[in-house]
Amino acid sequence: EAQVTQNPRYLITVTGKKLTVTCSQNMNHEYMSWYRQDPGLGLRQIYYSMNVEVTDKGDVPEGYKVSRKEKRNFPLILESPSPNQTSLYFCASRSAGVTYNEQFFGPGTRLTVL
Amino acid sequence: AQKVTQAQTEISVVEKEDVTLDCVYETRDTTYYLFWYKQPPSGELVFLIRRNSFDEQNEISGRYSWNFQKSTSSFNFTITASQVVDSAVYFCALSLYNQGGKLIFGQGTELSVKP
Repeated sequence: EAQVTQNPRYLITVTGKKLTVTCSQNMNHEYMSWYRQDPGLGLRQIYYSMNVEVTDKGDVPEGYKVSRKEKRNFPLILESPSPNQTSLYFCASRSAGVTYNEQFFGPGTRLTVL
Repeated sequence: AQKVTQAQTEISVVEKEDVTLDCVYETRDTTYYLFWYKQPPSGELVFLIRRNSFDEQNEISGRYSWNFQKSTSSFNFTITASQVVDSAVYFCALSLYNQGGKLIFGQGTELSVKP
C-alpha cells in the first residue's frame, strides 16, 4: 500500500530535549516536505527536499533541521525544542513528474513541548 | 506574494442543508494549482480535488461541487444535502508551478453538521 508514515504519532517532551520525528514514504517520490498546523494559521511549510541531499527552507524553518540521506526518509529534527513548537506536524511527498501530482500526507505527529 | 484566505472560520448547519465554503487566493503567476483537503476529527488530511489554472470548468463529485472563477480569484466548495459525516475542517490550498509543489494553505473552515 502506497503511504507516508510518521513516527511517533504523539510525543510529549520538555524544553531543550532534542527529538527527531521520522518520515518515510514507499512511493519512490522525489519531493518531500514538512508542514506544521496551528489553529487559525492553517498549515505552513517548514522545510522541503527536491531529492536526496537537496533540502531548502520553507516559510517557518527556525528551530528545525532536516536531512535527506535516502530517498524514502526525511526526518525532522528539533535540536532544542521550545513550547512554541507545540503543534501538529505533517510530512508529505509527491513525485516530480511532468504533470502535477497529488501530494500524499502522513497521518500527523502531535507534539507537545512543556 | 501568494496567499489563500478562507474567511469563514466556523460554519454550523443542520443535516441536509447545502453549505458553501469560500476560498479566495492571491498570486501573480499564470500557472498554478488549487486544492481542497478535508481534515476529519481523526486528524488526517484527505485530498478532495485539484484544479489547474487553465481549467475553469466546475466539477461535481456526488454531493460535492467546486466553482472555480479566475475573474474573482475564488475556488469555492459546496456540499449539497450535508451529512453529519461531513463535519470536519476543510482547507483550501494553492501551489505554484515553479515552487516544487509547495502548498500554501488557507486558515481552514471548521464545518459542523448537526443532526
